[in-house]
Amino acid sequence: DAGITQSPRHKVTETGTPVTLRCHQTENHRYMYWYRQDPGHGLRLIHYSYGVKDTDKGEVSDGYSVSRSKTEDFLLTLESATSSQTSVYFCAISETDTQYFGPGTRLTVL
Amino acid sequence: SQQGEEDPQALSIQEGENATMNCSYKTSINNLQWYRQNSGRGLVHLILIRSNEREKHSGRLRVTLDTSKKSSSLLITASRAADTASYFCAQEEGGGNKLTFGTGTQLKVEL
Repeated sequence: DAGITQSPRHKVTETGTPVTLRCHQTENHRYMYWYRQDPGHGLRLIHYSYGVKDTDKGEVSDGYSVSRSKTEDFLLTLESATSSQTSVYFCAISETDTQYFGPGTRLTVL
Repeated sequence: SQQGEEDPQALSIQEGENATMNCSYKTSINNLQWYRQNSGRGLVHLILIRSNEREKHSGRLRVTLDTSKKSSSLLITASRAADTASYFCAQEEGGGNKLTFGTGTQLKVEL
């Protein structure tokens, strides 16, 4: 988990509330990613960024938005959380082929 | 993009035995990578094999790639209890360093 932190690490929220997860890196890597991990599905890409203010959708982007105003921070926002968004969320960074993962955020939507 | 499949979903072996995990994918790839995840932790990169390579070694790990069959295998030799984890293959298919992950193999190595 070198150089990557995620906050919060655990969060419980209610349906309909907004939630923002933060990924912070100290490696100055160009690419940043948000994944969700669910039993039976492995990791699925939500959104990714290839530079400041440059983002694109992944496989499961519906209901999520992202922002990257600085190289080191990549924010994932659930505008109105739903129970189907209960999951473990991982941030990753890369400069070349290999991705480096953060410790994860466990989000529960009641 | 669609996820690849890994086989088996779960594997239980004795310490000292070899563990083999297989990965199949659907599209042309730039490279294929293997990651390990200990329970409750983030993924850790193990090894990368490029589309023009057939075999690669790293310590006790051996990875093969057969692009004609769209499949890869990860062999862990002389397994240890500390190898107990989930193992994921991931394919890089296009630009942007994006990876598509398989559903993983849960390996348990018993003493």
